[in-house]
Amino acid sequence: NAGVTQTPKFQVLKTGQSMTLQCAQDMNHNSMYWYRQDPGMGLRLIYYSASEGTTDKGEVPNGYNVSRLNKREFSLRLESAAPSQTSVYFCASLRTSGSLETQYFGPGTRLLVL
Amino acid sequence: AQTVTQSQPEMSVQEAETVTLSCTYDTSESDYYLFWYKQPPSRQMILVIRQEAYKQQNATENRFSVNFQKAAKSFSLKISDSQLGDAAMYFCAHASTNFGNEKLTFGTGTRLTIIP
Repeated sequence: NAGVTQTPKFQVLKTGQSMTLQCAQDMNHNSMYWYRQDPGMGLRLIYYSASEGTTDKGEVPNGYNVSRLNKREFSLRLESAAPSQTSVYFCASLRTSGSLETQYFGPGTRLLVL
Repeated sequence: AQTVTQSQPEMSVQEAETVTLSCTYDTSESDYYLFWYKQPPSRQMILVIRQEAYKQQNATENRFSVNFQKAAKSFSLKISDSQLGDAAMYFCAHASTNFGNEKLTFGTGTRLTIIP
């Protein structure tokens, strides 16, 4: 299993440009998540999807949209990038085993908005 | 809303010694999960250990153990026999037991340096 994969690894954008961050998992997990990590801070939840076809806002959703394309894929879109969106973005999926739930993370996408 | 506080931005420990990282949290729930994640320079988030709040017994994973004090809302991580590979940022996190809808709240992290 590849686990959780993210593309691209690194991206530079100009203010106002758009892009989509891709995330895929091959573990047949239902729930998927997008977080951002800023310097000196922990991860903050942007959006999540509890199942295919459903999405919900997290703590910091402004400026982002998401699509749960199918069970495997959960994409994050920046329609008009701003310097404040410079961050490292992590995708995660949720493993449920009986009553135990654990999130597994992708390697991250580093985004620089100029 | 839940909050997670890590009051030690940086810690250092001599190789082979023991170090304890602190974490406190605030929640009104009686049942929840707590986690410690490790983030090495590669930025990969790696699960170190987890604790279910309903369990009184402290979780242990090899050299890693926790001291979970539910009444005090404290969840510290002890690393025994520290190794150079333990150098990383360590994040404490809380999650509600909303099955299939778990959302993690992270602390700001503690940077651990291992001194050879």
